[in-house]
Parts: sequence; structure tokens; C-alpha cells
Amino acid sequence: GAVVSQHPSRVICKSGTSVKIECRSLDFQATTMFWYRQFPKQSLMLMATSNEGSKATYEQGVEKDKFLINHASLTLSTLTVTSAHPEDSSFYICSASRPDLAGFNEQFFGPGTRLTVL
Amino acid sequence: SQQGEEDPQALSIQEGENATMNCSYKTSINNLQWYRQNSGRGLVHLILIRSNEREKHSGRLRVTLDTSKKSSSLLITASRAADTASYFCATVPLGSGNTGKLIFGQGTTLQVKP
Repeated sequence: GAVVSQHPSRVICKSGTSVKIECRSLDFQATTMFWYRQFPKQSLMLMATSNEGSKATYEQGVEKDKFLINHASLTLSTLTVTSAHPEDSSFYICSASRPDLAGFNEQFFGPGTRLTVL
Repeated sequence: SQQGEEDPQALSIQEGENATMNCSYKTSINNLQWYRQNSGRGLVHLILIRSNEREKHSGRLRVTLDTSKKSSSLLITASRAADTASYFCATVPLGSGNTGKLIFGQGTTLQVKP
């Protein structure tokens, strides 16, 4: 159990267009979902924390209007990169958390989405 | 914001040797976790150590935690070529609520030569 999927796995788009990435928890209801971005050979940087039915909490330096997050249900969160530019090209990874038997929220990671903006 | 530093940044060893990676962090934590990432893939959770624990084992993995020094180490014993990957430590900051929010270190790239 605890499988998280992302769609699409790869996307190439033109500069100025918007791209939507979906993150789904397939076999559990996620209390919280997280969005990260990762540049080549670098670590994961947390972008935002998302709870179902409420506004996402963005990390410092992350533009809310640029990276729109919608968390419509306990199994689906979407990240929309609006008016994408080449510098937005990155690997975007989501995770979904659920409490374990000890009440600790364990995160399960999706396989990532490679975004290339031309 | 990232709060973890890892060293070495890159490590190359022969199959069968042990690999040790270190992680330091800046703020008080609830727990520290180690993840593995194969190139271009998602993350795989390896092991979690709570702030009141000092050492933990899982198969060929051994993790230590020193909260006074704000540091942790991951030891992989008897390494295999299949262990080649990037390894990240991640902390759950104290006071981050019950969300399980993770702050990642910069990672160590491990290459195990057959």
C-alpha cells in the first residue's frame, strides 16, 4: 500500500504556456500533500504544503501566483505552473502523508515529473 | 528552505566496501530520515530515527543520531553495485506541527563499482 502517482511523468511545453501536474494517492487518503522541485544534481526543495480543502502554505521565496496548488480531495493535489519560462524547467516531485500506527505522518513520494520549458 | 548539509557530496567505492555518509542540520528536530533516489526517479524511504534514539539498524543500513551535534550518519555495509544512487537525509523540524514536513539535506551521490 501507500502508492503515490504523478501525471504526466514528462512534459515539454513552450514558454508562456501553463502546465498542470497531478499527484494522486492511489490506495490511501492523504492528510497532507507536499510539492518539491529538484534541479539537476541538487536536493529537493520544499515548495508548498497542501491540505485538502484549504489554501496551500508556500515556502519563503516561492511565488503563489506562479505555482498554483489545488487540493480538491484527499487523494488528489494539482500543481499548475503558470506562464512557464525556461527557468521553471525542473523535476517536480510530490508526496502524500498519512499517519502511521504511532500517529506519525509518514510521507510517500511520487515518481516525479520532468518539466522542460522551451 | 534547506537546512541540511551532507558530506561527502560524492563517494566512490568498490563493491563490498562500506559507505559512510554524514548529515548535519541546523534546528531542533522531531526525527531524521534517510532516503535514496536513483537517477531521475522518485525517493525511497530507507530508515527513520527519532530524536530520542541514538542508533538504528535495518538490514545493511546503520544510522546514528547525535542531537547535541545536530548530526547523523548513514552506514551501508558490504555495498553492492545496486546501491549506486543519491542519498538524502531529511529532518522533521520540531514545531512544524503534525504535518510531517521534511527539510532535505543536499545529498551524497554514491557510486559503487563492481
